[in-house]
Amino acid sequence: GAGVSQTPSNKVTEKGKYVELRCDPISGHTALYWYRQSLGQGPEFLIYFQGTGAADDSGLPNDRFFAVRPEGSVSTLKIQRTERGDSAVYLCASSLGTVIDYNEQFFGPGTRLTVL
Amino acid sequence: QQPVQSPQAVILREGEDAVINCSSSKALYSVHWYRQKHGEAPVFLMILLKGGEQKGHEKISASFNEKKQQSSLYLTASQLSYSGTYFCGTEKVTGGTSYGKLTFGQGTILTVHP
Repeated sequence: GAGVSQTPSNKVTEKGKYVELRCDPISGHTALYWYRQSLGQGPEFLIYFQGTGAADDSGLPNDRFFAVRPEGSVSTLKIQRTERGDSAVYLCASSLGTVIDYNEQFFGPGTRLTVL
Repeated sequence: QQPVQSPQAVILREGEDAVINCSSSKALYSVHWYRQKHGEAPVFLMILLKGGEQKGHEKISASFNEKKQQSSLYLTASQLSYSGTYFCGTEKVTGGTSYGKLTFGQGTILTVHP
């Protein structure tokens, strides 16, 4: 079946602009995670959704970052007033969301964000 | 706090074996291993849980020492396709239900030559 998809694959924006990054998880997966990965580093946790609610947003770096998942499926990560330091690959992952499956996470291909 | 992976890089010839280690200073609930090729998404390899349960691909083996909070990934009879960056992601023991909040190591770059 289809995996996790993310759009756009690349986004170039200017400092100060607003961007939205979209994640479409695997059908039936109730858990959704956003990570940020800088060059040469491992993914860094941003936020976790169980269903429609953000169960843990402790990884969001500041209040310029916000994410939603209004219908419990597609999620959008929103970044206001972008800064050059926001440049990274933003990864989305989903899992079945039950303890039984050990929270095995399936990652999407990511969105490469470049802030000029 | 980020887990520490070692070595940082490994170069192998096809057919050789390798071990990648992941060490945490926190009490862990689980360790997840992923492989990522350049420009691609991380791909799940293995999960090891506190208590001994594990789930992963048949050709991959790993261990989790709960006392030392260390995990090792064993790659045997390496193939060219094994090349990539290997990440461990750790989940801390918390008072609540586990939900897969992972802290990733900095990665180990594995290169397999013919």
